Amino acid sequence: ETGVTQTPRHLVMGMTNKKSLKCEQHLGHNAMYWYKQSAKKPLELMFVYSLEERVENNSVPSRFSPECPNSSHLFLHLHTLQPEDSALYLCASSQEETSGVGQFFGPGTRLTVL
Amino acid sequence: AQSVTQPDIHITVSEGASLELRCNYSYGATPYLFWYVQSPGQGLQLLLKYFSGDTLVQGIKGFEAEFKRSQSSFNLRKPSVHWSDAAEYFCAVGATNKLIFGTGTLLAVQP
Repeated sequence: ETGVTQTPRHLVMGMTNKKSLKCEQHLGHNAMYWYKQSAKKPLELMFVYSLEERVENNSVPSRFSPECPNSSHLFLHLHTLQPEDSALYLCASSQEETSGVGQFFGPGTRLTVL
Repeated sequence: AQSVTQPDIHITVSEGASLELRCNYSYGATPYLFWYVQSPGQGLQLLLKYFSGDTLVQGIKGFEAEFKRSQSSFNLRKPSVHWSDAAEYFCAVGATNKLIFGTGTLLAVQP
């Protein structure tokens, strides 16, 4: 596998379920990101990890819990979500978390909360 | 505050015609600027980026963009559009720890 991969690609869950999204990057990068993409809204940065430490958390509700066990893997743990959390969740990575470096995106997980 | 504006929500062009997608930014310092493309059901793919130097930058798939500091713009261009270019295009500015994205322009290509 090359680039940034995300699993699952589609997820349907009830509001009481617990699930996790997985992201893996094969680019040797040391920064990883979670974004939320909702219809007709700009991409919303949720979390930034650099060298496995969280460096940014953009006021994301606690029902979203990130985990970065190593520089190649990033998880987003979900619990007691709301229907408005339905969106495309995109993972990205970059060589470092400075502003001048382009980010490489995975294909996303389409999440539907019933 | 840092922001990116893409004034055109939706654009339709004929195949073979030229294309220009507009992007304006607000940023206090010299910006790092990016254009991404997103095909349906896919993640974002980096088309090109501007850091410094030559204000006309070349990207993949025949795209180019021109940085104009006086107009705070970074418009994306392509001389001849192909049907496979139909997608959503996002402009972004690099800020500390993050990219700030515009709302995107959806490009439709007519035969």
